[in-house]
Amino acid sequence: KQEVTQIPAALSVPEGENLVLNCSFTDSAIYNLQWFRQDPGKGLTSLLLIQSSQREQTSGRLNASLDKSSGRSTLYIAASQPGDSATYLCALRSSTDKLIFGTGTRLQVFP
Amino acid sequence: EAEVAQSPRYKITEKSQAVAFWCDPISGHATLYWYRQILGQGPELLVQFQDESVVDDSQLPKDRFSAERLKGVDSTLKIQPAELGDSAMYLCASSLAYRQETQYFGPGTRLLVL
Repeated sequence: KQEVTQIPAALSVPEGENLVLNCSFTDSAIYNLQWFRQDPGKGLTSLLLIQSSQREQTSGRLNASLDKSSGRSTLYIAASQPGDSATYLCALRSSTDKLIFGTGTRLQVFP
Repeated sequence: EAEVAQSPRYKITEKSQAVAFWCDPISGHATLYWYRQILGQGPELLVQFQDESVVDDSQLPKDRFSAERLKGVDSTLKIQPAELGDSAMYLCASSLAYRQETQYFGPGTRLLVL
């Protein structure tokens, strides 16, 4: 059974810091991996999607990497801003099209 | 920009009552998903539709939960009777096609069972 773990569970940093969020998974047989952002009490917004054949994807200040062999993905946020404060979730798409989510990293960026 | 619509946004009910949630996916999206997200956890898939057919409902508590997508467009998720442990956020998502497509999420319905 696929298990997805995100570390750390919570993170508080000052504005301007570069930071890395980690996602690890136990089964490398995935179709893709997606990073989502969730604001309190809201739905999920897709940030980046990495296909299983890809190593990384970039969007603005965000960069996500995927290493299937080691069962890891990282989300790198450059020059963090208070507006980046949210919960970040990684999710793997299984062979049955099911998205399996991690428990998330709650990020707070203070001015 | 097209969005997934959900209603109601909030629902408070007493245990043993019936509740229903509605979802309207992005136009043209064939695949629709219902997720349950307990506070502090990631979403967990309850049911997945491809057009009007159920593709996966293995995690749906079928003794009290039901879901339908009769015309392959909008969908309803029902709980009867509601239990205290059903308090959670219920998220609907849709995607254009099966596999390898990003899922677009609605704002969710927050359910509180008293």
